[in-house]
Amino acid sequence: DAKTTQPPSMDCAEGRAANLPCNHSTISGNEYVYWYRQIHSQGPQYIIHGLKNNETNEMASLIITEDRKSSTLILPHATLRDTAVYYCIVRGTGGGNKLTFGTGTQLKVEL
Amino acid sequence: NAGVTQTPKFQVLKTGQSMTLQCAQDMNHEYMSWYRQDPGMGLRLIHYSVGAGITDQGEVPNGYNVSRSTTEDFPLRLLSAAPSQTSVYFCASSYSGTGGRRTEAFFGQGTRLTVV
Repeated sequence: DAKTTQPPSMDCAEGRAANLPCNHSTISGNEYVYWYRQIHSQGPQYIIHGLKNNETNEMASLIITEDRKSSTLILPHATLRDTAVYYCIVRGTGGGNKLTFGTGTQLKVEL
Repeated sequence: NAGVTQTPKFQVLKTGQSMTLQCAQDMNHEYMSWYRQDPGMGLRLIHYSVGAGITDQGEVPNGYNVSRSTTEDFPLRLLSAAPSQTSVYFCASSYSGTGGRRTEAFFGQGTRLTVV
């Protein structure tokens, strides 16, 4: 699976949009981009995933560039409860749900 | 719906002891996997299974054994605990993705293991 690069930390004011970038320049055509978050050492929680189209659900939006080499996770109105480590993961289909976690981005939402 | 249940939540072992970390899911997921997380690091894959009777090694399998006799259960065995196995262990499960089913992984709340 392709390697990803994320900034180690970001800050965001409560109520503002949090935009978390991820670089995956070696992604191949059949690999998806997944985002998970981990709140205070709990088990990781799925947020969203996409292949090449932008995706939106009740938690977040995922914007994938046309060349698919990078993506941005958007939390539209961040709250204190969104403070967590966010992981961007690229994985293909098949072979079990093997996820390769990097060190992620520590997002701190402040008043 | 319980999701993914891990037991115990906390455990202290002496070097050389053996133990089994339990993981059970009630979502009829084909895929199950075990990860460990050391301080300040992301999760690393230990072993995984694509269905009952089928297991394979992940990135850091040494010192651990698994088996998958049922769809629901995927226990992780530490054969002879070492201080280097002090970590937080997470179990995860998901569908395989066939038939258009969603493929996101569901994680348990973790087992915090200390080996002294």
